[in-house]
Amino acid sequence: EVQLLESGGGLVQPGGSLRLSCAASGFTFSSYAMTWVRQAPGKGLEWVSTLSGGSTYYADSVKGRFTISRDNSKNTLYLQMTSLRADDTALYYCAKEAPILSGFESWGQGTLVTVSS
Amino acid sequence: QSALTQPPSASGTPGQRVTISCSGSSSNIGTNTVSWYQQLPGTAPKVLIYSNSQRPSGVPDRFSGSKSGTSASLAISGPQSEDEADYYCATWDDSLDGWVFGGGTKLTVL
Repeated sequence: EVQLLESGGGLVQPGGSLRLSCAASGFTFSSYAMTWVRQAPGKGLEWVSTLSGGSTYYADSVKGRFTISRDNSKNTLYLQMTSLRADDTALYYCAKEAPILSGFESWGQGTLVTVSS
Repeated sequence: QSALTQPPSASGTPGQRVTISCSGSSSNIGTNTVSWYQQLPGTAPKVLIYSNSQRPSGVPDRFSGSKSGTSASLAISGPQSEDEADYYCATWDDSLDGWVFGGGTKLTVL
């Protein structure tokens, strides 16, 4: 059974940094593209970043501030977030992509990031 | 404003067929496949449809998806009370080089 477990969320001041982790199990982690999606309180889903093969992709709203990475030896996906702003406040989900951009097969339960002074 | 346009709400009775639309452009739906997600209150999204019309195992067959040109649709034949949720479409956008989601549609079962 595929499991994705996010961690690392919390309360951080504007301008601060945070690193999110997503521990994966139940599949060959290194073989799949992985994505971070966020959801602000009461709002819809917003794509944040994707790591596919050796390529990284970022939403314009986080480009230059967030960095996605993975450690295949630890079956873990990361999202390093810097220069955090109030509008980065959201529940952050990691998701396992299905092949050939066909969608997101599995989602974690999310970790909450709150940016506030 | 989302790159994909969905109606904010939809409703229907268990005897009806409800359709949720998702409108995009040539750089996203016009080129790539569409997936649909169901988000029950307080839970993580779950895939309902991938590759425009494929249903993962375990998803009831009352859910179906289709795509034509730059638009896609999710149909629910005879919605049940447990189907009350938010529904999102998504696809890859070649111009933005990233995934795009619709704004979401809240389904109410009357």
